[in-house]
Amino acid sequence: GAVVSQHPSRVICKSGTSVKIECRSLDFQATTMFWYRQFPKQSLMLMATSNEGSKATYEQGVEKDKFLINHASLTLSTLTVTSAHPEDSSFYICSARVAGLTDTQYFGPGTRLTVL
Amino acid sequence: AQSVTQLDSHVSVSEGTPVLLRCNYSSSYSPSLFWYVQHPNKGLQLLLKYTSAATLVKGINGFEAEFKKSETSFHLTKPSAHMSDAAEYFCVVSGPSGGYQKVTFGTGTKLQVIP
Repeated sequence: GAVVSQHPSRVICKSGTSVKIECRSLDFQATTMFWYRQFPKQSLMLMATSNEGSKATYEQGVEKDKFLINHASLTLSTLTVTSAHPEDSSFYICSARVAGLTDTQYFGPGTRLTVL
Repeated sequence: AQSVTQLDSHVSVSEGTPVLLRCNYSSSYSPSLFWYVQHPNKGLQLLLKYTSAATLVKGINGFEAEFKKSETSFHLTKPSAHMSDAAEYFCVVSGPSGGYQKVTFGTGTKLQVIP
């Protein structure tokens, strides 16, 4: 089946630093990847949609200068949380959509970010 | 416009008894519908999906769901709960919106399985 990996699985950083999270589709090409944020005991909130080779589309209320997304290849998208603050602490999950299929998303295992 | 409502935030069943997780949706178009499962501190795993083929969809781990257009429902069922089924379950609807495919998540249902 379609497998998506994320790295790192957990990261702890100091306030003011930047953190990069990688999302990879391991056995398929993903023209579109999605980044979600999940608060404790809540559902997933879509942050942005990332298309290979073009700028990401951000959802309303998500700061594009704070959450930098790069989708440089058909198997890799990165999310960089810039100048992180404690309120950015959350569980970040990416998903990838198989090229040629319009609706099924496969999810990564998530990254737990803790900002001290 | 589309939306999805998971009617129960928590469901508790005894091991070996049936599971029913309820989901209702609204959509202007014929949507695709999904059920995902999330174990603690893990990503989401696709259980099953409906994409306008058979209305009764069989998924992994013995789960199935029935698409009922007249009731706008897509309830998830399993005949006999196992301890490993304890997790959070999300119902998801996907449909066209503004030229692209929009995905909407339900708020989730936490399934507790009692030994």
